[in-house]
Amino acid sequence: QFVLTQPPSVSGAPGQRVTISCTGNSSNIGAGYEVHWYQQLPGTAPKLLIYGNNNRPSGVPDRFSGFMSGTSLSLAITGLQAEDEADYYCQSYDDSPSRWVFGGGTKLTVL
Amino acid sequence: QVQLQESGPGLVKPSETLSLTCSVSGGSISAYYWTWIRQPPGKGLEWIGYIHSSGSTHYNPSLKTRVTISVDTSTNHFSLNLRSVTAADTAVYYCARGVRRISVYYYYYMDVWGKGTTVTVSS
Repeated sequence: QFVLTQPPSVSGAPGQRVTISCTGNSSNIGAGYEVHWYQQLPGTAPKLLIYGNNNRPSGVPDRFSGFMSGTSLSLAITGLQAEDEADYYCQSYDDSPSRWVFGGGTKLTVL
Repeated sequence: QVQLQESGPGLVKPSETLSLTCSVSGGSISAYYWTWIRQPPGKGLEWIGYIHSSGSTHYNPSLKTRVTISVDTSTNHFSLNLRSVTAADTAVYYCARGVRRISVYYYYYMDVWGKGTTVTVSS
C-alpha cells in the first residue's frame, strides 16, 4: 500500500541503539531522491527529525542520525530514551507518478 | 516562530465538500510551499498537495480530481477543498510549511506542522 517500506515496529532498551529502515524502488529512493524523517509522539503532530538523508534541524539531538545501508536509507537512534517512544515516518519523492510519499510508519517501543 | 492552525468543520456529509483553512502566524507566507497532509485513524500519513505562495500547485495524483488548494497572501491563510467526500476521507488533516532546495524539484520536506484537525465523514 505504501510506496516506501518501513518495519511496522522496532524496540530497544534504554541506552541501546535502534535503526529503522526505509526501502523503496527505482522511482523513489533508488533514483537517488533524498529521504526525510519525522517523529510523531502519541497524540501529536509529526515533527521534522532529519532532512536530506542525514541533516538535523536545530534542536534535534545528535542521538538521531540518518545513514545509507545498501539500497535503503535508515534512521538510527542511539542512547535510547523513554521519550523516544513514538511513530517514525520516512518521506521522499516518487517520480512515477510525480508526488511525495511517506512510508507506512514504524512504532518504536522503549522497553 | 512560525505557527500553523487548522480550522473547519469536524463533520462533513458524504458527497459534500470538505473545506479547511490554515492560518499562518509569526512569519511570512511568501516563498514557501504550503502543504496539506492527512492521517486516517490508526494509519499512516498521506501527502495531499501543496501551493506555493506564487500560486503554483502540485496535488497527489490519487486525489487530484477532487482537490483544490488555494492561498490568500494578504491574510496569511491557505485552504483545502476536497470534493465528493466518502468515509475513506475521514482523517486528521494537517497543514504544514514545505521547504524546497532551490533548483532541486524533488528535494522537499515539511519543517513546521499544525496540530491537526479531525474530520469525520458521516451522514
